Amino acid sequence: GEDVEQSLFLSVREGDSSVINCTYTDSSSTYLYWYKQEPGAGLQLLTYIFSNMDMKQDQRLTVLLNKKDKHLSLRIADTQTGDSAIYFCAESIRGGSQGNLIFGKGTKLSVKP
Amino acid sequence: DSGVTQTPKHLITATGQRVTLRCSPRSGDLSVYWYQQSLDQGLQFLIQYYNGEERAKGNILERFSAQQFPDLHSELNLSSLELGDSALYFCASSVEGRSLHFGNGTRLTVT
Repeated sequence: GEDVEQSLFLSVREGDSSVINCTYTDSSSTYLYWYKQEPGAGLQLLTYIFSNMDMKQDQRLTVLLNKKDKHLSLRIADTQTGDSAIYFCAESIRGGSQGNLIFGKGTKLSVKP
Repeated sequence: DSGVTQTPKHLITATGQRVTLRCSPRSGDLSVYWYQQSLDQGLQFLIQYYNGEERAKGNILERFSAQQFPDLHSELNLSSLELGDSALYFCASSVEGRSLHFGNGTRLTVT
């Protein structure tokens, strides 16, 4: 079945780049997403990428998509302590609308000063 | 602020009881989605409504039901509650075909 995998933890120093990786299974997914969840809050959409794109850049965020390997990554440049949060990768469910998403378990990013 | 409002923020109840969670979508959004977030299962899509009608179903138990009212707010009803139903329940809304905007969730604790 459909599944999204990501590592559970990542620790970086302030000012370094963070790279969060994700693998997915549904090659027919139209959209792939990155969401951020801070403690006590809901999920905030960071960025998304169409499946026919290889890369998308948005300020400090760079998303890379390797469709052949079904691998998605999120790079955060110049990571700040405010970036500490849980980051979720998600793919759209086969045949579903853009809101029917399968999420990974989330990667907890810790940024040390 | 996403514009999606969920009430209550916290709910503590006993096994076997029934609760109702409420969601007000962003102004103009016709689609409402419910998600459950638990430690073991992660985030699971439950159900989607679009303009009052059920559009898609995910991993929603038969003990759970939802509806969307003419004013577009939605309610998620959870009955015969079990300890394992303890979780964060998120509502999200969207304009059809666009990205989701999540509320801050309702934390349900079943004792």
